[in-house]
Amino acid sequence: DTEVTQTPKHLVMGMTNKKSLKCEQHMGHRAMYWYKQKAKKPPELMFVYSYEKLSINESVPSRFSPECPNSSLLNLHLHALQPEDSALYLCASSQVDSYNEKLFFGSGTQLSVL
Amino acid sequence: GESVGLHLPTLSVQEGDNSIINCAYSNSASDYFIWYKQESGKGPQFIIDIRSNMDKRQGQRVTVLLNKTVKHLSLQIAATQPGDSAVYFCAENRGGTNFGNEKLTFGTGTRLTIIP
Repeated sequence: DTEVTQTPKHLVMGMTNKKSLKCEQHMGHRAMYWYKQKAKKPPELMFVYSYEKLSINESVPSRFSPECPNSSLLNLHLHALQPEDSALYLCASSQVDSYNEKLFFGSGTQLSVL
Repeated sequence: GESVGLHLPTLSVQEGDNSIINCAYSNSASDYFIWYKQESGKGPQFIIDIRSNMDKRQGQRVTVLLNKTVKHLSLQIAATQPGDSAVYFCAENRGGTNFGNEKLTFGTGTRLTIIP
């Protein structure tokens, strides 16, 4: 299994809603990542987890709250988002010896904030 | 600031021809480079990577060339096919001295269109 699975594929939410994005991988990777990608732009790093501990937070607003409940799962909890947060949210994973190198990406969650 | 950038935002190539996508980087401390392909509606897909102790690496129909002197990276795709149409990103990792501080930084991207 060489896949990173993200759910849902599409999400529309209001600015007062609370929602969660989910990511799962079964490759035994112990590093997991959240990236944000706006249309026609490159992915931008948000968070990195290594061995289920947060190792990088790229000064992301607190309305985005990551969680890594175990070595296979990564969540991104969303609350009180703004319309400018609409984007494709990508999850990725890698082996720890490929930390921030060869990342495997999921297909993303296309988020629209109304 | 330091950045990873691309010379051309769009590239159109006749099917069957070879294509070359270029990427400039400015961080001389970067020691790892990677190319990703992103098709519409999908996440980035790994194509090929290279470390700074190499200047060339080949895969299936793809070759990456690294010129550290001029801080330039290129991706060559041989005998292009319609399925090669996508956005291609180069990315670099600085390889910091403190584990946990380095990150993979993506370039702007080049849209490759294969003309049938």
